[in-house]
Amino acid sequence: AQSVTQLDSQVPVFEEAPVELRCNYSSSVSVYLFWYVQYPNQGLQLLLKYLSGSTLVKGINGFEAEFNKSQTSFHLRKPSVHISDTAEYFCAVCHSGGSNYKLTFGKGTLLTVNP
Amino acid sequence: GAVVSQHPSWVICKSGTSVKIECRSLDFQATTMFWYRQFPKQSLMLMATSNEGSKATYEQGVEKDKFLINHASLTLSTLTVTSAHPEDSSFYICSARGSASGRQYVTYNEQFFGPGTRLTVL
Repeated sequence: AQSVTQLDSQVPVFEEAPVELRCNYSSSVSVYLFWYVQYPNQGLQLLLKYLSGSTLVKGINGFEAEFNKSQTSFHLRKPSVHISDTAEYFCAVCHSGGSNYKLTFGKGTLLTVNP
Repeated sequence: GAVVSQHPSWVICKSGTSVKIECRSLDFQATTMFWYRQFPKQSLMLMATSNEGSKATYEQGVEKDKFLINHASLTLSTLTVTSAHPEDSSFYICSARGSASGRQYVTYNEQFFGPGTRLTVL
């Protein structure tokens, strides 16, 4: 079984400040890792994913994340946030060898960017 | 590419009625579709996984007779909430995953999510 822990339920920041949203996972097998963003009353949009290769992954909207296998972490970062980045962010993991590719989600982090 | 739609985007119904939600992959063939439920300010909870042409696999605690899932074609899956009650009110989100073959490979290693359906049962 696998699990995902998002350590912060809410992260308030000021516009143009850097931000890091933390994600740790637990799994006994190799995994794929994902970050999704959800705006109010909408579905999920993929920000970035780690499947293999370089541990530093760059995504859309200026976000990036680094896969750290020894620390079982996949923290999401952005050097300078905008008001429009205010949203709920979900970290997710799935078993890389699984046949159905089921995702396990963290509880989410609400990022609020203040002017 | 890799767009998933859901219909309706919102629905209000009376207690005891059944509601059908459609999930379509618009530009790829979805060999696997997933149905999630999301309560306010909470994460997504997987309800069931369906592969085209076969019965859905339900997660523990999800009533298969209450939440009927049909995946009759490679581009369409439906979720029917039967005899809906107020506690079934929620945001339902589907996702789809393509096959590993050919030019659809880009849809294989990722789930593509629909915009969600807000169900309110009075």
